[in-house]
Amino acid sequence: LAKTTQPISMDSYEGQEVNITCSHNNIATNDYITWYQQFPSQGPRFIIQGYKTKVTNEVASLFIPADRKSSTLSLPRVSLSDTAVYYCLVARGGGSYIPTFGRGTSLIVHP
Amino acid sequence: DAGITQSPRHKVTETGTPVTLRCHQTENHRYMYWYRQDPGHGLRLIHYSYGVKDTDKGEVSDGYSVSRSKTEDFLLTLESATSSQTSVYFCAISDPRGAGDTQYFGPGTRLTVL
Repeated sequence: LAKTTQPISMDSYEGQEVNITCSHNNIATNDYITWYQQFPSQGPRFIIQGYKTKVTNEVASLFIPADRKSSTLSLPRVSLSDTAVYYCLVARGGGSYIPTFGRGTSLIVHP
Repeated sequence: DAGITQSPRHKVTETGTPVTLRCHQTENHRYMYWYRQDPGHGLRLIHYSYGVKDTDKGEVSDGYSVSRSKTEDFLLTLESATSSQTSVYFCAISDPRGAGDTQYFGPGTRLTVL
């Protein structure tokens, strides 16, 4: 399964847009890109998933270029409550999938 | 939120004692996972199950065993707890029949081994 690389940490301020980029050079044709968010003392929670181009939901947007070797999670107008660790995974449906979370990106939003 | 519970939520035990953590789901998902999370290491997979009585090892399985006798329950056992197993343990479930697999996590169990 494709290995992912993302920054260890990022800082931002309230009201700014935050973009977290993840690289997955060896992504396979049937792999999806999935992002999770984890608050302190809680388990990770799914926030968005995409295959190509752009996906948007009430929490975030996910941009995936045509070659799919990277993806960018975009959080519009962050607030203090967006301070969390964000994990990028390459996920495959149909079973036989062993997830690898890694350390994720620790986002700190400042007042 | 997905119906996943973990018990106990907090436990303090002594080195050498056996410990069993329970994960219970009400979603009828086929896959269940146990992770541990430690500072500086992120989430690491211990064991997972792809069906009743079907389990396999993850990245950090030494010192842990699991059992799944029913779809809804996945047990993690530390046969003889050590201080290095002090951690937060998360259970997760998934049902990878459709598109990219999505996992749903329980609230976690904080285990301290003295």
